Amino acid sequence: DTGVSQDPRHKITKRGQNVTFRCDPISEHNRLYWYRQTLGQGPEFLTYFQNEAQLEKSRLLSDRFSAERPKGSFSTLEIQRTEQGDSAMYLCASSLVGSLRYGYTFGSGTRLTVV
Amino acid sequence: AQTVTQSQPEMSVQEAETVTLSCTYDTSENNYYLFWYKQPPSRQMILVIRQEAYKQQNATENRFSVNFQKAAKSFSLKISDSQLGDTAMYFCAFMKHRLATDSSYKLIFGSGTRLLVRP
Repeated sequence: DTGVSQDPRHKITKRGQNVTFRCDPISEHNRLYWYRQTLGQGPEFLTYFQNEAQLEKSRLLSDRFSAERPKGSFSTLEIQRTEQGDSAMYLCASSLVGSLRYGYTFGSGTRLTVV
Repeated sequence: AQTVTQSQPEMSVQEAETVTLSCTYDTSENNYYLFWYKQPPSRQMILVIRQEAYKQQNATENRFSVNFQKAAKSFSLKISDSQLGDTAMYFCAFMKHRLATDSSYKLIFGSGTRLLVRP
C-alpha cells in the first residue's frame, strides 16, 4: 500500500451519461476527502468521510453528485446526468485522525471530460 | 469564511537561484494550519511544508522555508537553490485547527502559482 489510488485516470463521457469514480485511500487512514479542480484553479472541497460516515458536503455537491464509503475503506463518487461544467479533475485524499497538521495524502486524480 | 489568495499566476527562476512565492489569507481564527503543496505536471499533489499558526518559528524543510507573518496574514514560500524538478504548480492552503469552533477538516486552496525553473 503505497498511497492513494484513483480509478480511472481519465474518463471521457457524453453529456447526460452517468459516471462513477473510485478512490482507495491509504489503508490505515480513516478520513477520506473528495475535491474538484478545474483548469488553472486550486482544488475545491466537495465532501469528506470519517470511516463510513459522510460528515460534510459542500454546496458545490449538487443533487446529481453522490459519494459513498460503504465499509470505511474505498469510496466512490458518482455524477448523474453529466454536464459540460462537470469537466474537471476529481481528486481524492486521505488522512489519519490526529494527524491533520501534517496535511493529506492525495491521489493522482481522475480527469473527467464531458463532451 | 476563509479565503486564500496567490497573486502570482506564474513565476520563473534560473536553476540554482532563489525564488519566493506569495500567499495571503483571510480568517478570523486564531489557531489554524497553513500548507504549501506542489503539483508537478500530470502528477499528484504532494505536501511541501506546513506551519501551525501558534508556532512563531518559521517552518523549514531542506531547501524550502516559509515566512509566516501572522499579523499580516501572509505565508510566503522560499525555494533556495532551485532545481529543474521544482517546476510545478504550487498551492497555498489553509485549514482550521481541529479544536476550533465549527472545525472542518477541509483545505481551502489558493488559485496556485505556476513555477518554471529554467536550466
